Amino acid sequence: EPEVTQTPSHQVTQMGQEVILRCVPISNHLYFYWYRQILGQKVEFLVSFYNNEISEKSEIFDDQFSVERPDGSNFTLKIRSTKLEDSAMYFCASSERGDTDTQYFGPGTRLTVL
Amino acid sequence: ILNVEQSPQSLHVQEGDSTNFTCSFPSSNFYALHWYRWETAKSPEALFVMTLNGDEKKKGRISATLNTKEGYSYLYIKGSQPEDSATYLCARISSGSARQLTFGSGTQLTVLP
Repeated sequence: EPEVTQTPSHQVTQMGQEVILRCVPISNHLYFYWYRQILGQKVEFLVSFYNNEISEKSEIFDDQFSVERPDGSNFTLKIRSTKLEDSAMYFCASSERGDTDTQYFGPGTRLTVL
Repeated sequence: ILNVEQSPQSLHVQEGDSTNFTCSFPSSNFYALHWYRWETAKSPEALFVMTLNGDEKKKGRISATLNTKEGYSYLYIKGSQPEDSATYLCARISSGSARQLTFGSGTQLTVLP
């Protein structure tokens, strides 16, 4: 069964460094998402992406964050200058269509900012 | 209700027991409700997407109902098994934002053999 994959599973970085989290969505899906979960808190929406542009973003997704689909398979989340409070589990998801379609999640990347 | 809330926060049941838990959400601007099953270190697994008031969905021993007018959904597990142990998450989509999932904090279910 097709699945969303994410790399790395765990990333440790120093505050102020740039990180890129990578995702390979399900191949025929057109909509892509990033969510995050800070330890002990709810899963939060960051951004959705369709047709090579951001379609929605939350207040969390400020200028420090960017997303890209550099080729036909990868979908990346870049954090330009990491802060301690960026430490979280970051989940990528994809769906075939938008609206009520099921969003399929990857296993997450745990980001630790020291 | 302003946020998506789930209760109870955690639950322990014996193998073979049936159980249920609740997801409460703002009823205004409702578009859809998603249920996920999430085991530690794995991807959250999609269970159901529900849109219509009175919807009932079933997948094996797991079923869910939806009441959009009062803003709640129930998830039922019949004859719980140890492999049902997981965190069950609900997430709402509002009509103003058709792709953004707003999650509850989950119900952590432990099924004791």
